[in-house]
Amino acid sequence: DGGITQSPKYLFRKEGQNVTLSCEQNLNHDAMYWYRQDPGQGLRLIYYSQIVNDFQKGDIAEGYSVSREKKESFPLTVTSAQKNPTAFYLCASSMGPAEAFFGQGTRLTVV
Amino acid sequence: RKEVEQDPGPFNVPEGATVAFNCTYSNSASQSFFWYRQDCRKEPKLLMSVYSSGNEDGRFTAQLNRASQYISLLIRDSKLSDSATYLCVVIILVKGSARQLTFGSGTQLTVLP
Repeated sequence: DGGITQSPKYLFRKEGQNVTLSCEQNLNHDAMYWYRQDPGQGLRLIYYSQIVNDFQKGDIAEGYSVSREKKESFPLTVTSAQKNPTAFYLCASSMGPAEAFFGQGTRLTVV
Repeated sequence: RKEVEQDPGPFNVPEGATVAFNCTYSNSASQSFFWYRQDCRKEPKLLMSVYSSGNEDGRFTAQLNRASQYISLLIRDSKLSDSATYLCVVIILVKGSARQLTFGSGTQLTVLP
């Protein structure tokens, strides 16, 4: 079955640590996106990529980094520079003007 | 000004009511329009695409008005299971063939028994 998979579902991070969230899709989509959602809030764009080896900052890129070495994969690293990383992280992919598909999300908690 | 704006609600309606949500967008390069539904602590899922001619799926009707740059969603005969947050989503052509997915902040609906 085609789809988009995020892992892990839950992640705990100690302060000062970098952590990487995985996002993989087998839909052959060109575009991939990372969003952050805080409780009771909307989705905010962190980074997006339209093509392999290219990505653009979104509205809240500070403290995050991404790579797009393969079409299927768009991992997000939450660095120690992100001062308030506890949130729900969503990855999405799309092709052209068609609808986007989402992974099930990763819930990150700083302990 | 946000590119996509929605009334955040909350909308609290009795079962069986009809409820309408509106969404406005500001970028004239907006190409495609969708309504997504997000349940608490879950990922958004596509509810329906939105076309200028209007489209209907059971109790749900979506409409796009390009001249006024707004999108609407009408839910008839509301069910308890319709309780969720409804997200207006726009795909904007940003440069060449590159596109950006832009979300409204969502409208929360609670259907009461």
